[in-house]
Amino acid sequence: GAGVSQSPSNKVTEKGKDVELRCDPISGHTALYWYRQSLGQGLEFLIYFQGNSAPDKSGLPSDRFSAERTGGSVSTLTIQRTQQEDSAVYLCASSGGLRLYEQYFGPGTRLTVT
Amino acid sequence: AQSVSQHNHHVILSEAASLELGCNYSYGGTVNLFWYVQYPGQHLQLLLKYFSGDPLVKGIKGFEAEFIKSKFSFNLRKPSVQWSDTAEYFCAVRDPGTYKYIFGTGTRLKVLA
Repeated sequence: GAGVSQSPSNKVTEKGKDVELRCDPISGHTALYWYRQSLGQGLEFLIYFQGNSAPDKSGLPSDRFSAERTGGSVSTLTIQRTQQEDSAVYLCASSGGLRLYEQYFGPGTRLTVT
Repeated sequence: AQSVSQHNHHVILSEAASLELGCNYSYGGTVNLFWYVQYPGQHLQLLLKYFSGDPLVKGIKGFEAEFIKSKFSFNLRKPSVQWSDTAEYFCAVRDPGTYKYIFGTGTRLKVLA
């Protein structure tokens, strides 16, 4: 595809359940970011992947959050035992090539924890 | 810690009015600066960026921003807004020594037709 895609677009889950959010970056982009956007807040950095290097997980808010990037492409953000405060829009962005420092964002996944 | 401040959270303008959205950052070294825009129902997209050189940068759709190092500011401007500029605007800073971006909380702009 031409852009970054994310699935699902919306997810409603019950408190305590696990959820998986998927990101397909632009083909060939080596860098991939996950952000969280809560109502009235800016984008909160969660995790960063660059090529085959170890990811920077310093932004993950708790050990309930984890992320993987398989084969340097698709990434999955997993939230275990969801809490109501996890409700937010989760955004994925990728960058690479000659415009390494220009991030291209996906449409986001709106997560609602009831 | 680095931070980005956008002091205007909501702005309402009539068409043809001039626009200036403030962005201030706290970081003493060289930075890369960005403005992103999110139109209703659409993805965040890059509006313009500053890496080095001329501090007045021009972006898409008639927007421009001026980097004033002494004021730690990177304000976004447009001489005459249109209804289609209704969107949320985010300022972001990147430390060139890292890959991390710090975003402001955004400014919601509504342009009245």
